[in-house]
Amino acid sequence: DGGITQSPKYLFRKEGQNVTLSCEQNLNHDAMYWYRQDPGQGLRLIYYSQIVNDFQKGDIAEGYSVSREKKESFPLTVTSAQKNPTAFYLCASSIAQGQETQYFGPGTRLLVL
Amino acid sequence: KNQVEQSPQSLIILEGKNCTLQCNYTVSPFSNLRWYKQDTGRGPVSLTIMTFSENTKSNGRYTATLDADTKQSSLHITASQLSDSASYICVVGGNTGTASKLTFGTGTRLQVTL
Repeated sequence: DGGITQSPKYLFRKEGQNVTLSCEQNLNHDAMYWYRQDPGQGLRLIYYSQIVNDFQKGDIAEGYSVSREKKESFPLTVTSAQKNPTAFYLCASSIAQGQETQYFGPGTRLLVL
Repeated sequence: KNQVEQSPQSLIILEGKNCTLQCNYTVSPFSNLRWYKQDTGRGPVSLTIMTFSENTKSNGRYTATLDADTKQSSLHITASQLSDSASYICVVGGNTGTASKLTFGTGTRLQVTL
């Protein structure tokens, strides 16, 4: 999975609970991304970051938050405001934001109890 | 609205056979087209990336073609192996090159059997 790790592999969330998904990369990439994958749908962009201490909303940012305090780390928090969080979450990185190939992590499957 | 449509939705072939997956897109402006392979429960892995000026690119037994005029791409897999069983995702990038301009197809699920 190209030097990108995600944890945990499976995560269970109770109603009203915030949970944080971890994403770490050792590729020295500037850009990092979070996607959500649902059955029968293409990947949808949640948030992306071009550089440390900077991030932008993607197409479906509502109910999610991120931080980029370190180059190698881009954690995603699924807040209680996200009413349908059950999905497969993928983190990716690229050398820079733009045309470069994105390298994906192994994913985290989030389930609601 | 930018869209990427892939066909077939799923495909079953015998080991050793060839197959071709299709991708039609309506993304504008167009910058590049990528094919990814995604094993079940894993992250996608890049196979090829083509820009407007390229009409074919190979990666081992995988050959992608691009017709920017008709806005179609295909991924041809030669001499399929059991390990080719996966979903294949077509991704089209817009001309601005921003992450928000990537449009993902829903994928073709390929199963290679004995």
